[in-house]
Amino acid sequence: DQQVKQNSPSLSVQEGRISILNCDYTNSMFDYFLWYKKYPAEGPTFLISISSIKDKNEDGRFTVFLNKSAKHLSLHIVPSQPGDSAVYFCAASGGYGNKLVFGAGTILRVKS
Amino acid sequence: KAGVTQTPRYLIKTRGQQVTLSCSPISGHRSVSWYQQTPGQGLQFLFEYFSETQRNKGNFPGRFSGRQFSNSRSEMNVSTLELGDSALYLCASSLSDRTSTDTQYFGPGTRLTVL
Repeated sequence: DQQVKQNSPSLSVQEGRISILNCDYTNSMFDYFLWYKKYPAEGPTFLISISSIKDKNEDGRFTVFLNKSAKHLSLHIVPSQPGDSAVYFCAASGGYGNKLVFGAGTILRVKS
Repeated sequence: KAGVTQTPRYLIKTRGQQVTLSCSPISGHRSVSWYQQTPGQGLQFLFEYFSETQRNKGNFPGRFSGRQFSNSRSEMNVSTLELGDSALYLCASSLSDRTSTDTQYFGPGTRLTVL
């Protein structure tokens, strides 16, 4: 039972354009969402997070949008750079004491 | 500050054997979580330890076990290895027991291949 789904296994974007990575969840108890980025041969690194009391959080080129009614969140990267090429994981949790649930990941390729 | 370290980085075992993986968290971090990463499945939660106590466990068979020592270092053990156990095993540490919201810092992982 995949509670966090990233339906696009891969995404290819031209350098300078916007990258939009999507994530859907099924558990309405989730109230905290995170994005992690992973390069080959390295562990995932934290990118950005959002609490369910917000619908948007911004950090430089990265913005996460949360649509609670649709149980959907997205990560926007503007402008995309070749160094952004990596696997992006969406994760969600239901608060204190609950484990973090990850999606399967989306491979982003930014072409120069 | 040194990051999360995992040893060994690569491991090849045969079916039926057992294996022990080690994780040293960032200095001062008391929480350690373990994940299994396989293609198409993302990161599957294995277990979480805080101050030597298992706080949470994922849906894995009893062949998967772990422990945490007083210095916060952690080990996970897989007994009677199966081909399907081939995966990247990731360890993550965080400062407090609020692992659901605290930033988790991941190690590079141990790549286990079962033949």
